[in-house]
Amino acid sequence: DAGITQSPRHKVTETGTPVTLRCHQTENHRYMYWYRQDPGHGLRLIHYSYGVKDTDKGEVSDGYSVSRSKTEDFLLTLESATSSQTSVYFCAISESTGAGNTIYFGEGSWLTVV
Amino acid sequence: AQSVTQPDIHITVSEGASLELRCNYSYGATPYLFWYVQSPGQGLQLLLKYFSGDTLVQGIKGFEAEFKRSQSSFNLRKPSVHWSDAAEYFCAVGGGRDDKIIFGKGTRLHILP
Repeated sequence: DAGITQSPRHKVTETGTPVTLRCHQTENHRYMYWYRQDPGHGLRLIHYSYGVKDTDKGEVSDGYSVSRSKTEDFLLTLESATSSQTSVYFCAISESTGAGNTIYFGEGSWLTVV
Repeated sequence: AQSVTQPDIHITVSEGASLELRCNYSYGATPYLFWYVQSPGQGLQLLLKYFSGDTLVQGIKGFEAEFKRSQSSFNLRKPSVHWSDAAEYFCAVGGGRDDKIIFGKGTRLHILP
């Protein structure tokens, strides 16, 4: 258990409304990530963070923004949700050891935009 | 550029049969390699990882994987599958300084009774 909690776990929202997904970790990891998972596409990186207020874009960042004001929380915001953003969203952390870095995932947030 | 290819979208095997899931990668330096498993409606669970050393890596649930640098492959194997192994399996590669990991598109494993 990597101590990752995502909220909400399920959400239905209307097109054009803002949505914020929250990822909370309890183990003080430096790196945090947001991925989306869609059939036929696997997991695609949206944004990631390498420290408080330090974030960068992934491969599918358009339409998304993130914030990290505290080490333990990484927020993903859809400013104006669209149907193409219906997906499963996974938060992840990177655990560093002397040998390398390993990604661990939260349980996912199912988002439906109608 | 980094990439991961899982050539098989679906694989079906009989319970008790052996399993091999293929993974090929493209990476400019020494890769870190991973296999994850995802059951329906669940998150991804780490099965095993390779950083360095012995190229045959043992993981949880009786899985193993072998790193073959000459073939840029990291195939996942299990000698005898169980019905509970039915899931989707993801190969991933990473190791860069910026810590990003790239995933393949997954292989869905079906088990016949």
